[in-house]
Formats: sequence, C-alpha cells, structure tokens
Amino acid sequence: AQTVTQSQPEMSVQEAETVTLSCTYDTSESDYYLFWYKQPPSRQMILVIRQEAYKQQNATENRFSVNFQKAAKSFSLKISDSQLGDAAMYFCAYRSAQGGSEKLVFGKGTKLTVNP
Amino acid sequence: EPEVTQTPSHQVTQMGQEVILRCVPISNHLYFYWYRQILGQKVEFLVSFYNNEISEKSEIFDDQFSVERPDGSNFTLKIRSTKLEDSAMYFCASKGSPYSNQPQHFGDGTRLSIL
Repeated sequence: AQTVTQSQPEMSVQEAETVTLSCTYDTSESDYYLFWYKQPPSRQMILVIRQEAYKQQNATENRFSVNFQKAAKSFSLKISDSQLGDAAMYFCAYRSAQGGSEKLVFGKGTKLTVNP
Repeated sequence: EPEVTQTPSHQVTQMGQEVILRCVPISNHLYFYWYRQILGQKVEFLVSFYNNEISEKSEIFDDQFSVERPDGSNFTLKIRSTKLEDSAMYFCASKGSPYSNQPQHFGDGTRLSIL
C-alpha cells in the first residue's frame, strides 16, 4: 500500500520569503500523480499544484513550484514570495494511475504560518 | 467558481443514532468521493461513487456506512449506528472528468461529533 509522509507538522515563514514543505512517499508503482492541497482556516481543501510522475519537468503554478525527485520518492513544495493568505494546512497526496483506483492517499499535513 | 457544498457544517449525534451527511457536488461532475479526518490524523479515503454505484471503498467503509445519490444534485453518506470512533471531519469531493490527472474538488467538510 502507498504511504505519504510529511515530516514537518508545522512551519513558519516571514512574509515575502521562500519556504519549502517536504513530502516523501512510498510506492512500488511507476505511474502515479502527486498533488499539493491547501486547507485555509475556512476549511475547504483547494488544489495548489499537481505533478504527473511520467513528467520529468517540475510543475509550476505562479509562486508555487515543486521539486519532484522520482528516484528519491520526494515531492517538496516551494512557496516563493510568501503572502499572509498562504497561511494554511498543506497536504501532500498521492494517486495511482494504474488499476483504476481514484483514491487519494494523504500525508498528515504541514501547518504553515506566515509572519508579517 | 463552482464549489462542492456540504451540510451541516457541524453535526452532534448520540452514539447509536443514524446520521446522514449531505453534499452537493459541482453540477456537471460525475465522480463523487467521501473522505474523513479524525482529529490529529491523516485524511482517509472512504468511498468513490460513479454511475450510481460504488466503484471503490476502503476497509473503513463497512456495513454501517452507505452512500446514495437520491436525486440529480445530492450525494449523501449515511452512518447507520454511530460509534464514538466515527467522530471526525467528513469531506465530500467530486470530479468532472474520467481522466486520472484531473483533481478532486473538496467541500468545506462536516464535523461529526458523537456523544
């Protein structure tokens, strides 16, 4: 079974600075998808960024980018120019691309605080 | 932007009682999911639903749980006889496309407290 580990329960960053959130996963599959979701205090989980495992190029969405290291099974999220609105729980998630399974496997989350 | 909506936001129920959690997925979506998050633990997959039937379920989703799409808009999760360990945040999600790389869109969640 796949597992996702987020080793940082909490992180903090100064406004306008850069922060990196860590995520590692364990799988025997070669084809899968990885996601970062953000859950602000309003509670709705919002997709931040996604990465297909077959793509070597790291995904980027504005100030958010990932460092995907397939061999190391690592998928970290970098937030550049941090803003107060980035404060939230961040969840890393894995989904298989084989066998038709739709389920997301989540990490425990990292609580990000942005200090003014 | 369309959203997944869940009601109620907080449900308090006596142990042994039945509870129904409601979700309105995004209107043109066809794939529906329930997840739960026990306080301090990971978000866990419960069930996926497509074409009016369960397509996948976890070991958590035992006979006490059921899902239904009673009409064209609602998607419900029923817990038949609640236990203390059912206390959790329950998230509904939906997806519009069969393509695997498309994300699931989540609702705000329902906090279920069993007394």
